[in-house]
Amino acid sequence: DIQMTQSPSSVSASVGDRVTISCRASQGLDNWLAWYQQKPGKPPKLLIYSVSTLQSGVPSRFSGSGSGTDFTLTVSSLQPEDFATYYCQQTLTYPLTFGGGTKVEIK
Amino acid sequence: EVQVVESGGDLVQPRGSLTLSCIFSGFTFSDHYIDWVRQAPGKGLEWIGRMRNKANSFTTEFAASVRGRFTITRDDSRNSVNLHMNDLETEDTAVYYCARVRPRTDGMDVWGQGTTVTVSS
Repeated sequence: DIQMTQSPSSVSASVGDRVTISCRASQGLDNWLAWYQQKPGKPPKLLIYSVSTLQSGVPSRFSGSGSGTDFTLTVSSLQPEDFATYYCQQTLTYPLTFGGGTKVEIK
Repeated sequence: EVQVVESGGDLVQPRGSLTLSCIFSGFTFSDHYIDWVRQAPGKGLEWIGRMRNKANSFTTEFAASVRGRFTITRDDSRNSVNLHMNDLETEDTAVYYCARVRPRTDGMDVWGQGTTVTVSS
């Protein structure tokens, strides 16, 4: 199985901050990486697929980058509605696997 | 408007069975794979299974944690998919989500609201 490791597990930030979340895979993923946002009591929401393609309707302050085994989700200017937990997911091979999540909290 | 309605979550005893259902609307259901994902209380997301479309012979994939106990069926005439869970264990306690898979690029872009399964005696 491909192991997905996210860091940090939590981050405290203020509105307007730039936040970066890392995701490392145990083997190369080509372009098969997605990012999700989840708020308490709600289903996840797809933010980015294919490493860097923004899902329709997602604000442009979100961006994804990376290649091989190392990937990054960046929020360029954190907004109040962005406080949530973020997950990466590889879809290269089965079983599909998620990272452990990164909780973005208000400082 | 694209919508998903999930149902079927319940309290069930260990070794019991349960079926969860999702009904989709607002798009061509038969074009898409459907995934199931669960989230144990206070934990992260766990992908548990996939049902492919007719063009890919309705084949399935499962996580090791549920393989042999869970199956997935779909009825394209009703835009529905079911997760059939047998021999349930306390570790299966979770919120279960169904989700539509983006064609060709993957990623789950439409999610159900989630339904809660509690396995307890």
